[in-house]
Amino acid sequence: DAGITQSPRHKVTETGTPVTLRCHQTENHRYMYWYRQDPGHGLRLIHYSYGVKDTDKGEVSDGYSVSRSKTEDFLLTLESATSSQTSVYFCAISESLGGGETQYFGPGTRLLVL
Amino acid sequence: SQQGEEDPQALSIQEGENATMNCSYKTSINNLQWYRQNSGRGLVHLILIRSNEREKHSGRLRVTLDTSKKSSSLLITASRAADTASYFCATDARGNTGKLIFGQGTTLQVKP
Repeated sequence: DAGITQSPRHKVTETGTPVTLRCHQTENHRYMYWYRQDPGHGLRLIHYSYGVKDTDKGEVSDGYSVSRSKTEDFLLTLESATSSQTSVYFCAISESLGGGETQYFGPGTRLLVL
Repeated sequence: SQQGEEDPQALSIQEGENATMNCSYKTSINNLQWYRQNSGRGLVHLILIRSNEREKHSGRLRVTLDTSKKSSSLLITASRAADTASYFCATDARGNTGKLIFGQGTTLQVKP
């Protein structure tokens, strides 16, 4: 978890409300990722960023948007939260894109959408 | 879609025993990584093995890769209670722009 923080760590919200999760890194790594973890599905990539203002979709991007205005911050937004978005969200960083690089994970955010 | 599938889904052993977890994948890969996740925490990288490697060691960890069978195994020797965690394999499939695809994980319980 060193060098990566996520906020909030826990959140309860209601269906239809907007939610923004923040990932902050102090490692100056270029690549940042948002995953969700659900029982029976492992980790699934939502969006990733390969630089400031450069982002791309992952496997499960519907209903999510991201923004990266600074190297150190990567925001994940649920425009209108649904119960299916109840999950644990993890941010990760890496020095480069590719399976040859270790990804470092944050501590996670538990989101409950009622 | 899942690239890596771990087996077994859950494993319970006594302290001191060896633990073996397997990962199968579907498409050709550049690399395969193993991660550990303690309860309520983020994932921690354990070891990476490249497609041209067959075996790799790191402390009490031994990873093998068989690209002909599209499978990998993680062996933890002389397990400790502190090894209790979930273990995930992640693959960097060729042609997948390098993004990692994680399996569903094996939950290991080491009883003292």
